[in-house]
Amino acid sequence: DGGITQSPKYLFRKEGQNVTLSCEQNLNHDAMYWYRQDPGQGLRLIYYSQIVNDFQKGDIAEGYSVSREKKESFPLTVTSAQKNPTAFYLCASTRGMARNTEAFFGQGTRLTVV
Amino acid sequence: AQKITQTQPGMFVQEKEAVTLDCTYDTSDQSYGLFWYKQPSSGEMIFLIYQGSYDEQNATEGRYSLNFQKARKSANLVISASQLGDSAMYFCAMREKDTGRRALTFGSGTRLQVQP
Repeated sequence: DGGITQSPKYLFRKEGQNVTLSCEQNLNHDAMYWYRQDPGQGLRLIYYSQIVNDFQKGDIAEGYSVSREKKESFPLTVTSAQKNPTAFYLCASTRGMARNTEAFFGQGTRLTVV
Repeated sequence: AQKITQTQPGMFVQEKEAVTLDCTYDTSDQSYGLFWYKQPSSGEMIFLIYQGSYDEQNATEGRYSLNFQKARKSANLVISASQLGDSAMYFCAMREKDTGRRALTFGSGTRLQVQP
């Protein structure tokens, strides 16, 4: 079945460490996105990529980095510069970026700083 | 200014009754799309319904319908005949065409609880 796979489901990080969240899709979608969700809040855009080897900052990109070396993969690195990284992270993809394009989401990664 | 506003942090509804979840949006684009997603406690986002800004008819998908009032910039979700499984967070989202960024922008969500 086609879909988006995020791993790991739960991740614990010590302060000062970088961690990388994985996002893989087999939907052959061009565009991919990373969102952050805090408890009881909506989703906020971190980074997005419309094509391979290109990505753009979203609303809260500080302390995060991404790469898009392959169409199916869009990993997110949470760096030590991110002051409050504990949150739920969701990866999404769309076939394109037309206004009517539905976004498909992964199951999410819950990151906790210990 | 908030692009998407959901003013109801939480809603209760009796099983089998209808419920309306409010959403207002702010855009200067003429072409845009409005979406509703459901997020159960497990965390995944489930697409429910889509409405395009040029669509003259309100969108419907099974028990879900979207009450689209373009002049008022509102896109309320109506769930008919609520079921216990409808208990979840519901998010309204928008994608604008004319701005450079076309990622979905989400509201803060409404937590719906269906009571037996």
